[in-house]
Amino acid sequence: KQEVTQIPAALSVPEGENLVLNCSFTDSAIYNLQWFRQDPGKGLTSLLLIQSSQREQTSGRLNASLDKSSGRSTLYIAASQPGDSATYLCAAPGGDYKLSFGAGTTVTVRA
Amino acid sequence: GAGVSQSPSNKVTEKGKDVELRCDPISGHTALYWYRQSLGQGLEFLIYFQGNSAPDKSGLPSDRFSAERTGGSVSTLTIQRTQQEDSAVYLCASSSGLAGPRPDTQYFGPGTRLTVL
Repeated sequence: KQEVTQIPAALSVPEGENLVLNCSFTDSAIYNLQWFRQDPGKGLTSLLLIQSSQREQTSGRLNASLDKSSGRSTLYIAASQPGDSATYLCAAPGGDYKLSFGAGTTVTVRA
Repeated sequence: GAGVSQSPSNKVTEKGKDVELRCDPISGHTALYWYRQSLGQGLEFLIYFQGNSAPDKSGLPSDRFSAERTGGSVSTLTIQRTQQEDSAVYLCASSSGLAGPRPDTQYFGPGTRLTVL
């Protein structure tokens, strides 16, 4: 069974600082890994999907890396803004079609 | 459609009543997923549809839960004889299904917040 862990559970930084969010997974035989953002009371927004053949994926200020051998992924958010405040979820396949989610990292960016 | 939609957005019901939750996936997406997000439990997978078929129903918490999908589009999650522990946000997602059984990018709806009194 795929177990996904996210550290830290919460993070508070001043505006402009870079964010580093960590995700680890137990079953490294994954096809891909996905990062999501969730705002309070809202659904999930897909941020990045990294294929197993990739080492990293970038979208604007976001960069996600994947190291299958060590079972780790890291999401970097450069030059954080108050609008980046949200919960960030990492999800790894727990089988052919289902995703196993971490508990999330709640980020607060202080203006 | 522009995105995954779910209805109702909020549902308050009394213990023992049946509820139906609806999901409209992105047009053309053949894969549809239901998840449940509970306080303290995180996000848990419930069921997956490829077209109208559900290959694996083992994520459903009990036999009070059932789901169907018709016309390869709209899906309904039904909870019979609701219990207080069913209170949660029920999220639906869809994906293109082009990757076969491999999970490709899943797009989530806003969820239905279910409260069982």
